[in-house]
Amino acid sequence: AAGVIQSPRHLIKEKRETATLKCYPIPRHDTVYWYQQGPGQDPQFLISFYEKMQSDKGSIPDRFSAQQFSDYHSELNMSSLELGDSALYFCASSLEAGGFTDTQYFGPGTRLTVL
Amino acid sequence: DAKTTQPNSMESNEEEPVHLPCNHSTISGTDYIHWYRQLPSQGPEYVIHGLTSNVNNRMASLAIAEDRKSSTLILHRATLRDAAVYYCILRRKFNAGNMLTFGGGTRLMVKP
Repeated sequence: AAGVIQSPRHLIKEKRETATLKCYPIPRHDTVYWYQQGPGQDPQFLISFYEKMQSDKGSIPDRFSAQQFSDYHSELNMSSLELGDSALYFCASSLEAGGFTDTQYFGPGTRLTVL
Repeated sequence: DAKTTQPNSMESNEEEPVHLPCNHSTISGTDYIHWYRQLPSQGPEYVIHGLTSNVNNRMASLAIAEDRKSSTLILHRATLRDAAVYYCILRRKFNAGNMLTFGGGTRLMVKP
């Protein structure tokens, strides 16, 4: 079965640079979530989109922005990168038809290293 | 949001049953009890969820207390591949786009 695809899988950036992470949800899934997991920490919710509209917002820094496109893929844009942004970034997708909260399926993650 | 409490870690022997407890004394009537797990170097993975009745699927069983203030995830025969962090998470019903709040999961170690 098709899974959530994330690209790139690894990314190395310098401080103050920008990065773009991409997420391709499971076909027919309409909701995308972004989570950040720092070293030795639990995943923390950043932001979600349902039918291309922002649905929920967590502890996402102002330097980050995200959107969901017409084909339902999503991109997380990160600017002015800081050392503390080094983390695993997970994307998850779900089918939320009718507004009923459903299982989230996670991608393999993008490991971002900021030097 | 209602909070859950789990032990930090548990150990099990391979091929033996494992009971992972979760307390959620402030659960509301519209909260589903979800379990996710995260294997090393992987994204979280859905395990099971329930509302009031016990639930079984191919991965595990979920036993929910009658007052719903606690639940137990049961792995019937632990394998080395089940070594992971297990998270008990409450999710409100009928709330599209509702995030998962991960915190205080149980790290399960499985000994051969």
